[in-house]
Amino acid sequence: DGGITQSPKYLFRKEGQNVTLSCEQNLNHDAMYWYRQDPGQGLRLIYYSHIVNDFQKGDIAEGYSVSREKKESFPLTVTSAQKNPTAFYLCASSAVWQETQYFGPGTRLLVL
Amino acid sequence: AQKVTQAQTEISVVEKEDVTLDCVYETRDTTYYLFWYKQPPSGELVFLIRRNSFDEQNEISGRYSWNFQKSTSSFNFTITASQVVDSAVYFCALNHRDDKIIFGKGTRLHILP
Repeated sequence: DGGITQSPKYLFRKEGQNVTLSCEQNLNHDAMYWYRQDPGQGLRLIYYSHIVNDFQKGDIAEGYSVSREKKESFPLTVTSAQKNPTAFYLCASSAVWQETQYFGPGTRLLVL
Repeated sequence: AQKVTQAQTEISVVEKEDVTLDCVYETRDTTYYLFWYKQPPSGELVFLIRRNSFDEQNEISGRYSWNFQKSTSSFNFTITASQVVDSAVYFCALNHRDDKIIFGKGTRLHILP
């Protein structure tokens, strides 16, 4: 089955710790995205990538980092610089930039 | 600047009733796309529809229908004969040309048995 997988489903972070959220797709899509969702809010774009080995900051990139070394993978690292990381993180992909985005199941990050 | 407004924060209806979710957008561009997504309690966003700005025909898919009106900058979503499984948060979204997709804040829909 083609789709987008995210792991883990739940992630706990300690103070000062960096954590990495995984996003993998087997849809052969060029573009990938990371969003953050807070309770009662819409989605805010963290980072996006048009194509492998290239990525750009979204609206709320501070405290986050990404890499795009492989077409199918777009991991997101939440660094210790992100002071309020508790949120639901959604990864998405689209065939090309601006085409319909398809989403993974999400990762819920909690701070201990 | 682009903007999407979903004025209805939360709606509750009894099962089998029809319900319409409103979406009003702002854009200065003439070429753009509108989307609706469903977010069930599991959290994953499910794509429902994509409509380009040059196609104002209404769309129907089973119990779902969409009314796109450029004159009022609206792209409303109607569920006919609602079911409990329709309970979810629904997001309207907009993008144009080289810009990123902008999501509304969502409407939480409760279908009461």
